[in-house]
Amino acid sequence: ETGVTQTPRHLVMGMTNKKSLKCEQHLGHNAMYWYKQSAKKPLELMFVYNFKEQTENNSVPSRFSPECPNSSHLFLHLHTLQPEDSALYLCASNPPGQGYGYTFGSGTRLTVV
Amino acid sequence: KNQVEQSPQSLIILEGKNCTLQCNYTVSPFSNLRWYKQDTGRGPVSLTIMTFSENTKSNGRYTATLDADTKQSSLHITASQLSDSASYICVVSARSGGGADGLTFGKGTHLIIQP
Repeated sequence: ETGVTQTPRHLVMGMTNKKSLKCEQHLGHNAMYWYKQSAKKPLELMFVYNFKEQTENNSVPSRFSPECPNSSHLFLHLHTLQPEDSALYLCASNPPGQGYGYTFGSGTRLTVV
Repeated sequence: KNQVEQSPQSLIILEGKNCTLQCNYTVSPFSNLRWYKQDTGRGPVSLTIMTFSENTKSNGRYTATLDADTKQSSLHITASQLSDSASYICVVSARSGGGADGLTFGKGTHLIIQP
């Protein structure tokens, strides 16, 4: 384990469902991120939180809704997704500075049917 | 525009052989370059991080090189093992710019080690 824990590891949901992804870190990092990884594409940054405050929404559709209740937890709420949203969703956390401690979770493999 | 290009896109080699993966970047102003290993269905795990002043860094059988003048990096894997089968991602960090995370990701090289 890297110190960044994501649950669930796998998720299959219908287009009308509502589900949430969870990310947790106890590394003392103050920044947390959501990324989307699709096949044969670079990682795409979705959201950035610094000290629980959202500092970036990288033009993500509103069907993805992040929540950061504290510096250790990050959620991604999903509703009315499309099949093209199927991907590996990765959470990462980072201490202050140049990011030498940048750490990824194992990801949630999401399939939208 | 900041970009990271990796080659080859995929590579198959026999167990025990060596291989070298390439990364070219146009990220500016450069802060550091990282190589990550990503096993199938898992998150990326850091192998090496190099700053402007470092031109080589090793982590076991993995050796990364950096030429900041030509903006190129390579990852050399020695005596490959079946467990080396994975995607290898080059990530360049900018002191400013890039994404909001300051990172520009390559698409990765998919490496398969055959017995």
